[in-house]
Amino acid sequence: KAGVTQTPRYLIKTRGQQVTLSCSPISGHRSVSWYQQTPGQGLQFLFEYFSETQRNKGNFPGRFSGRQFSNSRSEMNVSTLELGDSALYLCASSFTGEEGYTFGSGTRLTVV
Amino acid sequence: EDQVTQSPEALRLQEGESSSLNCSYTVSGLRGLFWYRQDPGKGPEFLFTLYSAGEEKEKERLKATLTKKESFLHITAPKPEDSATYLCAVQAGNQFYFGTGTSLTVIP
Repeated sequence: KAGVTQTPRYLIKTRGQQVTLSCSPISGHRSVSWYQQTPGQGLQFLFEYFSETQRNKGNFPGRFSGRQFSNSRSEMNVSTLELGDSALYLCASSFTGEEGYTFGSGTRLTVV
Repeated sequence: EDQVTQSPEALRLQEGESSSLNCSYTVSGLRGLFWYRQDPGKGPEFLFTLYSAGEEKEKERLKATLTKKESFLHITAPKPEDSATYLCAVQAGNQFYFGTGTSLTVIP
C-alpha cells in the first residue's frame, strides 16, 4: 500500500518568506501529526490533526500552523521564516493516533 | 519538566554481540511509549508501542520492555542491517516527546 507522501522533498526559502508543506497520509488514516527534526534538538512535536480538527499542539510559536482537509490530507504553513526554521519536517499518519505512526520521508527546508 | 533521555548516544557492536539501549522518561500521564528506527535520509520507522509497566514486545532480533521509569530495547545477535538510529518517544497527555536517539553501528 502507498505510504505517507510529503511534498516537496527539498525547499529553499529566503528569511521572511512563508512556506506551505503538504502531506498525504496512508489511505484510511485520520490522524496526521507534524514534527521538526534538527541535529541539535532532535524530533520535536508540532501538532496533530484528527478528522480536520487540531487535537494536540506542541510548543512552537504561532508562525507554525496547519490544517487538515476532509480527505485527511494535511498542510503545514510557516510564516515569516527565520534561519532557525531550517530543518527536516516530518509528517506521520495513524488510524487513531493511539498506535504507532507511519512517517513520511520528510521535507528538507533550508532558509537562507 | 517532561523529558525523554536515551543512552548511550552511540553504540558500536560486533555482529552477533547482543546489547541493550535505554530510554528513561520523566513525564506525567504516560499514554504510550514508542520505539522507532531511523535510517539516514528517511523518516522514522515504527517498531513497537508499549502502554504499561511490565509489558514486553518482540520483533525478530528486537525486544522492547517497559518499567515505570524506563524502557529498554534489547538487540539479540545483531546484524549489520540493524545499523540505524533508534528513537524512543513518549506520549504524555496531549504531547509527544522524542529522545535524541541512539546511533547503532553493527560491524561485520
